[in-house]
Amino acid sequence: AQKITQTQPGMFVQEKEAVTLDCTYDTSDQSYGLFWYKQPSSGEMIFLIYQGSYDEQNATEGRYSLNFQKARKSANLVISASQLGDSAMYFCAMSLGSSNTGKLIFGQGTTLQVKP
Amino acid sequence: KAGVTQTPRYLIKTRGQQVTLSCSPISGHRSVSWYQQTPGQGLQFLFEYFSETQRNKGNFPGRFSGRQFSNSRSEMNVSTLELGDSALYLCASSLSKLAGGPGSYEQYFGPGTRLTVT
Repeated sequence: AQKITQTQPGMFVQEKEAVTLDCTYDTSDQSYGLFWYKQPSSGEMIFLIYQGSYDEQNATEGRYSLNFQKARKSANLVISASQLGDSAMYFCAMSLGSSNTGKLIFGQGTTLQVKP
Repeated sequence: KAGVTQTPRYLIKTRGQQVTLSCSPISGHRSVSWYQQTPGQGLQFLFEYFSETQRNKGNFPGRFSGRQFSNSRSEMNVSTLELGDSALYLCASSLSKLAGGPGSYEQYFGPGTRLTVT
């Protein structure tokens, strides 16, 4: 069965330091996509970064990068130079196949708190 | 470009009533997906509509239904509300181009509708 696992319920990081949020996935499909979303206390889900299973290079978007290790089935999010505004819940998600891109399977989330 | 909009933002209903939630996707996006978020179950996929057709469906009872109009706007309906339906309902839109390419697969979420059933 397809599954996303985020093993860190909560994380703390000092402002300006880098932090890695863990995500492992389980699927037998060859074609899939991996996503990270940020959800502040307001509730809105903010898209951060996307990695396709056939993409050879790790995705990067500004301070966000996705450390994609296909053999290990992991897709960790790295946030560099943390800011106070990064405090939020972070979700890893997966979509399967080109015809299932509209269906995301989410992990349980990791709460990140950035300390000043 | 305007983002995904959802109305209403907050709703309080009584058990047994029905409710309709609305979602307007980003201009040009043809796929609209709906998700339910609760503290206990997390984020769960309800269904996806693409070009007015339901393309994917999650494991929810038939009380949950949806539709998509020709302008890609989507509505979600929940009939015979139960206390357990209290949740944040999120709608997301995407380009969903089968040919792929940059930006094809990312889903952009609206602010959500917080439904409370009493």
